[in-house]
Amino acid sequence: GAGVSQTPSNKVTEKGKYVELRCDPISGHTALYWYRQSLGQGPEFLIYFQGTGAADDSGLPNDRFFAVRPEGSVSTLKIQRTERGDSAVYLCASSLGSSWAQYFGPGTRLLVL
Amino acid sequence: SQQGEEDPQALSIQEGENATMNCSYKTSINNLQWYRQNSGRGLVHLILIRSNEREKHSGRLRVTLDTSKKSSSLLITASRAADTASYFCATDDTGANSKLTFGKGITLSVRP
Repeated sequence: GAGVSQTPSNKVTEKGKYVELRCDPISGHTALYWYRQSLGQGPEFLIYFQGTGAADDSGLPNDRFFAVRPEGSVSTLKIQRTERGDSAVYLCASSLGSSWAQYFGPGTRLLVL
Repeated sequence: SQQGEEDPQALSIQEGENATMNCSYKTSINNLQWYRQNSGRGLVHLILIRSNEREKHSGRLRVTLDTSKKSSSLLITASRAADTASYFCATDDTGANSKLTFGKGITLSVRP
């Protein structure tokens, strides 16, 4: 079956602009996660959805970052007033539920100029 | 914060040899997952081992877990050039809402 998909694959934007990153999880997976990975590092947790609600958003770095999952499937990560330090690969993962295997999408590489 | 710490940071072996990678962590866990990543993009899930399990196999992969030592190892037998990648361990920590905490990864190079 289809895996986790993410769009766009790459996004180049200017400092101060707004961006949206989309994640389409594996069908039937109720849990959805966003991570961010900088060069040479492991992924770092941003936010976790169980169904439509954000069960844990403790990893969001500041209030410029926001994520939604209105129908319990597709999720959008929104970044306002982007900064150069936001440049990273943004990864989405989904799982059948809490403490099950997490399957990752290919990521969106964000570059803020 | 980084919980899983992989060892070694880099490993270079000849095709056909076995590769052993280690991961240590600090807190109680629900499970530990190993991933492979090529070219800095999506992570491929390899194996999940739960805290009450000691060993799991999948094809050429063998994972062990020692919760008393808070450590895990990933063994790849009969390595191939296609195994060249970065490998990460990630812990699902008890009480952490199932978010994964990753180490910095191990770079494995398999020479043909």
